[in-house]
Amino acid sequence: QLQLQESGSGLVKPSQTLSLTCAVSGGSISSDGYSWSWIRQPPGKGLDWIGYIYHSGTTVYNPSLKSRVTISIDRSKNQFSLELNSVTAADTAVYYCARGDCHGGSCPGNLDYWGQGTLVTVSS
Amino acid sequence: QLVLTQSPSASASLGASVKLTCTLSGGHSSYAIAWHQQQPEKGPRYLMKLNSDGNYAKGDGIPDRFSGSSSGTERYLTISSLQSEDEADYYCQTWGTGVVFGGGTKLTVL
Repeated sequence: QLQLQESGSGLVKPSQTLSLTCAVSGGSISSDGYSWSWIRQPPGKGLDWIGYIYHSGTTVYNPSLKSRVTISIDRSKNQFSLELNSVTAADTAVYYCARGDCHGGSCPGNLDYWGQGTLVTVSS
Repeated sequence: QLVLTQSPSASASLGASVKLTCTLSGGHSSYAIAWHQQQPEKGPRYLMKLNSDGNYAKGDGIPDRFSGSSSGTERYLTISSLQSEDEADYYCQTWGTGVVFGGGTKLTVL
């Protein structure tokens, strides 16, 4: 059973950089046909996709966040990471990582496994 | 532009059935979607992938009470024999260049 687990700082000061890691277990992040996404959910609001990375290192970002986001992959540790710079209070949210299944179609695909999420608060 | 539209809320009685709708923007009737359930204070849970022809494939451990269907740009999630634990937010999701989510439907079980 594939499992994803987010970790990172739960409190970030305004203007600083948010950094999170998603550890993948029960499967290889290098397997062909899967994408690896970050999604966030502000308190009381809906889901907002941030971006994804493919095992080759190819990335696609939400245009609204593209200038501030970097997603990277570490195949040796079977994990991928998110950096979001110049954060403000509007970036306060629960952050989720998820796997996308690209088989039978295009990437990023349907998100079929999710992490439990981690709350990040932006405050001084 | 690829957009998914969902009604903000729905309600149905315990033991009854409910059909939730997700509408794809015009010109995207061939797109598959996924349905996700988010129970209160929990992370999203993948329910199924639903194709434009109505075929669907459910995630691990999803009960038979959950089914999907399609018509044109509409994608449906039907939950039968409603239970109290089905009270949740339901999101549809699709993909083009990136991932697109609908705004979610809050289901209340009366």
